[in-house]
Amino acid sequence: EVQLVESGGDLVQPGGSLRLSCAASGFTFNSYEMMWVRQAPGKGLEWVSYINIGGSSIHYADFVKGRFTISRDNPQNSLYLQLNSLRAEDTAVYYCARKDNGGWSPDYWGQGTLVTVSS
Amino acid sequence: QSVLTQPPSASATPGQRVTISCSGSSSNIGSNYVYWYQQLPGTAPKLLIYRNNQRPSGVPDRFSGSKSGTSASLAISGLRSEDEADYYCAAWDDTLSGVLFGGGTTVTVL
Repeated sequence: EVQLVESGGDLVQPGGSLRLSCAASGFTFNSYEMMWVRQAPGKGLEWVSYINIGGSSIHYADFVKGRFTISRDNPQNSLYLQLNSLRAEDTAVYYCARKDNGGWSPDYWGQGTLVTVSS
Repeated sequence: QSVLTQPPSASATPGQRVTISCSGSSSNIGSNYVYWYQQLPGTAPKLLIYRNNQRPSGVPDRFSGSKSGTSASLAISGLRSEDEADYYCAAWDDTLSGVLFGGGTTVTVL
């Protein structure tokens, strides 16, 4: 069974930093590209970032603007998202998602981790 | 960031059919697969339809997807109370080099 378990969400002040982690199991992690997607309270889904299997190809949403960094550790079956210079509008549930190998959108999602940016 | 266009809400009585549209452009729906997700209240999204019209195992055949040009649609037939949820379409956008999501459609079973 595919499992994606996020952690690291917390309450942080504006301008602060957080590192989100996603532990993957139930599939061959180093055979799948991965993504992060977020959802602000009461709002829709918003794609954040993508990373290929080897970490050599990375894409970010425009709103990231150099503040976030996606990375992965294949031997540890883990995906990460470093969040810096956080703003109130970054408050959201952040989901780790596995990309469908035959397409360009997620097929499995984690349960999410909540990031709250507030003073 | 741009979004794919979905109606904000849809409703029908139990047993009826409801259809949700998703409109995009040549750089997303027009050139890439469309995916549909179901999000029940308080839970993570779940894949409902992938690669335009494929159902993952375990998804009832009451759910079907289609795509034509730069638009796609999700149909739910034989509507049931447990289908009350938010539904999102998604497609990769070649110009943005990222996934675009629709704004979401809340389905209500009357």
